[in-house]
Amino acid sequence: AQTVTQSQPEMSVQEAETVTLSCTYDTSESDYYLFWYKQPPSRQMILVIRQEAYKQQNATENRFSVNFQKAAKSFSLKISDSQLGDAAMYFCAYLGYWGAQKLVFGQGTRLTINP
Amino acid sequence: GAGVSQSPSNKVTEKGKDVELRCDPISGHTALYWYRQRLGQGLEFLIYFQGNSAPDKSGLPSDRFSAERTGESVSTLTIQRTQQEDSAVYLCASSLEPEGAVDGYTFGSGTRLTVV
Repeated sequence: AQTVTQSQPEMSVQEAETVTLSCTYDTSESDYYLFWYKQPPSRQMILVIRQEAYKQQNATENRFSVNFQKAAKSFSLKISDSQLGDAAMYFCAYLGYWGAQKLVFGQGTRLTINP
Repeated sequence: GAGVSQSPSNKVTEKGKDVELRCDPISGHTALYWYRQRLGQGLEFLIYFQGNSAPDKSGLPSDRFSAERTGESVSTLTIQRTQQEDSAVYLCASSLEPEGAVDGYTFGSGTRLTVV
């Protein structure tokens, strides 16, 4: 079974600075998708960014980018120019390309933005 | 609807009582998922519905948990004889189809269940 590990329960960063959240995963599959979700206090999960494993180029969405290292099974999220609204729980998630189409989530990282 | 709707938003129940949680997915989304999120933890998969196929119940933690979905519409998650360990946020999500999951799920805001 696939597993996702986020080793940083909490992170904090000064407003306008850059922060990187770590994620590693374990799988025997070669084709899959990886996601970062944001969960603000409203509890609703919001998709931040997605990476297809077959793509070597790292995904980027405005201030959010990933560092995808397939061989190392690592998928970190970089947030540039941090804003107060970025404060939330962040979850890394895995989706297999074949078979059961259900997301497997990590334990989450709570990100605090200091003004 | 415009988004995934869950009700109630919050539920407090006494230990031993049964509870029903409701999820209205986005219209046209054939796949529906339930997850449990205990305080300060990640999301645990519970059950997955896809159209008229048999649901994937592999995540249900005990036989006190069950879920139903009629066609491609509303789903209810039922917890019988609730225990304090059942206290959590129960999140529902839907996607256009299993293959649409690659675009990410659309989540509701969850039901916070507190068993006292």
